[in-house]
Amino acid sequence: AQKVTQAQTEISVVEKEDVTLDCVYETRDTTYYLFWYKQPPSGELVFLIRRNSFDEQNEISGRYSWNFQKSTSSFNFTITASQVVDSAVYFCALSDPGSGNTGKLIFGQGTTLQVKP
Amino acid sequence: ETGVTQSPTHLIKTRGQQVTLRCSSQSGHNTVSWYQQALGQGPQFIFQYYREEENGRGNFPPRFSGLQFPNYSSELNVNALELDDSALYLCASSFLGGGETQYFGPGTRLLVL
Repeated sequence: AQKVTQAQTEISVVEKEDVTLDCVYETRDTTYYLFWYKQPPSGELVFLIRRNSFDEQNEISGRYSWNFQKSTSSFNFTITASQVVDSAVYFCALSDPGSGNTGKLIFGQGTTLQVKP
Repeated sequence: ETGVTQSPTHLIKTRGQQVTLRCSSQSGHNTVSWYQQALGQGPQFIFQYYREEENGRGNFPPRFSGLQFPNYSSELNVNALELDDSALYLCASSFLGGGETQYFGPGTRLLVL
């Protein structure tokens, strides 16, 4: 069965520290998609990145970077020089190809990141 | 470009009642998915609508039902509300399914007393 595990429930850092959020996934399919979303206190899930299973290149977007490693089934997210505005719950998600063409998302439990000034 | 909108933002119901939640998809999107997020949990897939038909369903009972309209907006209906239905209900729109990025609305917070 497909599954996403975010082992870190809560992380607290001081502003300007780097922080890595871990994500491990399970799937038997060779074609799948991975996502990261940010959920601020307002509740809306904000899309951050989408990665397909055939593209293992790491990606950097400003202070955000993602490390995708199929060999360890991990898709980790690093925030460099964290800021207070980064405080939120972060979700890693797997698009379930077994659901036909729905692209149903399977979410991890989320990691709550608190960045203190 | 208009994002995903949902109404109402908050709702309080009593056990046994029925509720209807509404979602307008992002312009250019034809697929709407609904998710339930209990407090402290990740969102759980309820179902998806494409071309006004249900296109996949999660592990939710039949009292959770939905509709999609020709303008791609959607409704989620829940009958015979139970206390455990208290959650944040999120709507997401995308173009087709199958791995396309889903963009989420702000959600509707439902409290069942």
